[in-house]
Amino acid sequence: GAVVSQHPSRVICKSGTSVKIECRSLDFQATTMFWYRQFPKKSLMLMATSNEGSKATYEQGVEKDKFLINHASLTLSTLTVTSAHPEDSSFYICSARGITSGRAGTQYFGPGTRLLVL
Amino acid sequence: TQLLEQSPQFLSIQEGENLTVYCNSSSVFSSLQWYRQEPGEGPVLLVTVVTGGEVKKLKRLTFQFGDARKDSSLHITAAQPGDTGLYLCAALNYGGSQGNLIFGKGTKLSVKP
Repeated sequence: GAVVSQHPSRVICKSGTSVKIECRSLDFQATTMFWYRQFPKKSLMLMATSNEGSKATYEQGVEKDKFLINHASLTLSTLTVTSAHPEDSSFYICSARGITSGRAGTQYFGPGTRLLVL
Repeated sequence: TQLLEQSPQFLSIQEGENLTVYCNSSSVFSSLQWYRQEPGEGPVLLVTVVTGGEVKKLKRLTFQFGDARKDSSLHITAAQPGDTGLYLCAALNYGGSQGNLIFGKGTKLSVKP
């Protein structure tokens, strides 16, 4: 099956610093990547959708200036949490949809990144 | 707004018992997916059901899509400790422009040896 990787898997940072999380599709090209956030014992909440070469679409309530998304190539999307605060601590998961899958195609999920802001 | 209601939220059973998890909505979906997620990892797709009334089996797991394509169930026979995890149902968000998935709140299953 398709593989999606995320890096780093865990990160601890000081309040006020910025953290970049990478999401890569390893064996397929992804025109669309999705970023989710998951709080402990909760389900996944969509934060934003990124398309290669264009601006990301953010869900209501998600600050685009705080969560910067760049989808620079068909295999890489990055999420940067700027000026991180303890309330940003969470589990961030990306998913990617293949170029041939179409709008209704299967999404493949990354293993997630655990962010802890002290 | 499309919502997926999952029940129960938590389930703790002994090894060997059977269980059923439900995913319900007032909306009709063209397809519905079930995922399993272990702590600290991303969700892993178990199955996609597409046709109303469809039943799919994956070893001891049986997935059913309701006739009206508004609900689905996951039945596990003779549960094992390795089945422990968070089970999520998901469906395409027709209201979204990008075809993103919406998720139910999940069912946290614990199978004790």
